[in-house]
Amino acid sequence: DIQMTQSPSTLSASVGDRVTITCRASRSISTSLAWYQQKPGKAPKLLIYQASSLESGVPSRFSGSGSGTEFTLTISSLQPDDFATYYCQQYQNYWTFGQGTKVEIK
Amino acid sequence: EVQLVESGGGLVKPGGSLRLSCAASGFTFSAYNINWVRRAPGKGLECLSSITTSSTNMWHADSVKGRFTISRDDAKNSVYLQMNSLRVEDTAVYYCARSTATGTGDYWGQGTLVTVST
Repeated sequence: DIQMTQSPSTLSASVGDRVTITCRASRSISTSLAWYQQKPGKAPKLLIYQASSLESGVPSRFSGSGSGTEFTLTISSLQPDDFATYYCQQYQNYWTFGQGTKVEIK
Repeated sequence: EVQLVESGGGLVKPGGSLRLSCAASGFTFSAYNINWVRRAPGKGLECLSSITTSSTNMWHADSVKGRFTISRDDAKNSVYLQMNSLRVEDTAVYYCARSTATGTGDYWGQGTLVTVST
């Protein structure tokens, strides 16, 4: 099984801040990595796939990078609608998710 | 419009059974792999089961292997999750999600709540 480790688990930030979330895979997954946003009571929303490709309709302030075992999600300027929980997901071998990063208002 | 709608959740006693359904519309259902994912209270997302097109392959996570079974009926545009021997720790919101051609999940249902309690 491929394990995904995400950090930090909680992040306090202000509107306008640049935010970075890190995800590490237990073995190389090439670029088979996605990022999701989830808000309370809602389904996860796909933001990034193939490590760095922006899903249609997702604001350009979201970006992803990395390959192999190290990946990052960056929000260039945090907006009020961005306070949520973010998950990384590997899909090279079925699906495994990171434990999540809750982005809170500072 | 692509839609996935889960149903079948509810309150069940430990050791009981439930069958979740995921009804799809707005796309060629038979051409897509489908997954079941859950989120337990205070925890993260966990993929439980996946089924490929034509039911060629089914996969279940170790946490549910031998207790849960995924299946699909392409004539009804539906995927099912038969859950037996339910445990308190199976309490969660259960989502179905469509896999894209690259393998990730682009469309998700709104979820159905399963509560396992005495």
